[in-house]
Amino acid sequence: GENVEQHPSTLSVQEGDSAVIKCTYSDSASNYFPWYKQELGKRPQLIIDIRSNVGEKKDQRIAVTLNKTAKHFSLHITETQPEDSAVYFCAASLAGDKVIFGPGTSLSVIP
Amino acid sequence: NAGVMQNPRHLVRRRGQEARLRCSPMKGHSHVYWYRQLPEEGLKFMVYLQKENIIDESGMPKERFSAEFPKEGPSILRIQQVVRGDSAAYFCASSQGDRNQPQHFGDGTRLSIL
Repeated sequence: GENVEQHPSTLSVQEGDSAVIKCTYSDSASNYFPWYKQELGKRPQLIIDIRSNVGEKKDQRIAVTLNKTAKHFSLHITETQPEDSAVYFCAASLAGDKVIFGPGTSLSVIP
Repeated sequence: NAGVMQNPRHLVRRRGQEARLRCSPMKGHSHVYWYRQLPEEGLKFMVYLQKENIIDESGMPKERFSAEFPKEGPSILRIQQVVRGDSAAYFCASSQGDRNQPQHFGDGTRLSIL
């Protein structure tokens, strides 16, 4: 069945360094890829998304890249700050306006 | 423009009771999705609804769980005869309904079963 894998499951970086989270998906028809940030005890919040007609999208310190041929996409956070610490979820669209989420990456930014 | 509203934020039930979770989508959104999240785990899709229609309930347990999104009023996720294993955070999300529009989440309902 449809599946989204996400790596690493945990990631620790020093403040100011970059963080990269990678996801792969199985459904070749997927064409929409959102990323969500979830702080402890709070709602998942959309931070960036990309559609399959582009290969890269950037918004200040965060960027997402997409390789449709290889069926993988990545989240890049530059100049990390302690407030970036959270769980990050990637997702991929399925037929019927549904998305399937990856298992999440717990990011810790060490001051 | 109010976001997705869920209530209650916390719900405590005893085994065997019923739990009703409510979700009002963002203004202008016609699609509602329900997810379940266990501690330190991901978001598991349960059901996808449009007004008066269940579009996809492939993630819903076959027994005790039901969902509706009536013409008037919020979407309801109903869990009958709750068991300890139903304890989780239940999140609702809504979208505009056009192809591949982002889903926006509510604050969730934390369900605890005694």
